[in-house]
Amino acid sequence: DTGVSQNPRHKITKRGQNVTFRCDPISEHNRLYWYRQTLGQGPEFLTYFQNEAQLEKSRLLSDRFSAERPKGSFSTLEIQRTEQGDSAMYLCASSPPGTVEAFFGQGTRLTVV
Amino acid sequence: QKEVEQDPGPLSVPEGAIVSLNCTYSNSAFQYFMWYRQYSRKGPELLMYTYSSGNKEDGRFTAQVDKSSKYISLFIRDSQPSDSATYLCAMRGSNYKLTFGKGTLLTVNP
Repeated sequence: DTGVSQNPRHKITKRGQNVTFRCDPISEHNRLYWYRQTLGQGPEFLTYFQNEAQLEKSRLLSDRFSAERPKGSFSTLEIQRTEQGDSAMYLCASSPPGTVEAFFGQGTRLTVV
Repeated sequence: QKEVEQDPGPLSVPEGAIVSLNCTYSNSAFQYFMWYRQYSRKGPELLMYTYSSGNKEDGRFTAQVDKSSKYISLFIRDSQPSDSATYLCAMRGSNYKLTFGKGTLLTVNP
């Protein structure tokens, strides 16, 4: 499968714990995005990388959230001290150079109990 | 007012019907207009995109953009039960950030 890969697919964590999600973009896609989607809503932009540089962060991305993309390959999204409001689907997408399309992964569904 | 407004439905139609899905937006900087399809518990799948105003057709799907009215549409002809999904409109300007509508839940009944 050569699509965007996200792991884990599901994560249940207790409030206050830290969690980390991984995204492997499609090969040679230089742009990588993270979005968050809650039930009944469209995805909301969190952050965007071009290669290894994080170029934009949403105000939704509080200090408890951090994203990295070392060497411009895979990316991780970490949430520290999780809260119940963090429960959502976290979606990763990637785009090749010079194109408009963004291709999404299947998402990581986070439940904070 | 949200930047992108989309009626969440739900919308239920018989098989073979023509479906019309719509979004309005307020940001004049939007230049690229996309439609994504999302099945339950899956990631969004890009159906098609258009740049600026005009029409674009791909098989049973036609996308229309009217920038003067800040209104976009997706038409599905000869709808099939397999078209049952949530349809999301999305838009962006010169940066790469997509702004999505809430999505419209469509059910096509056999």
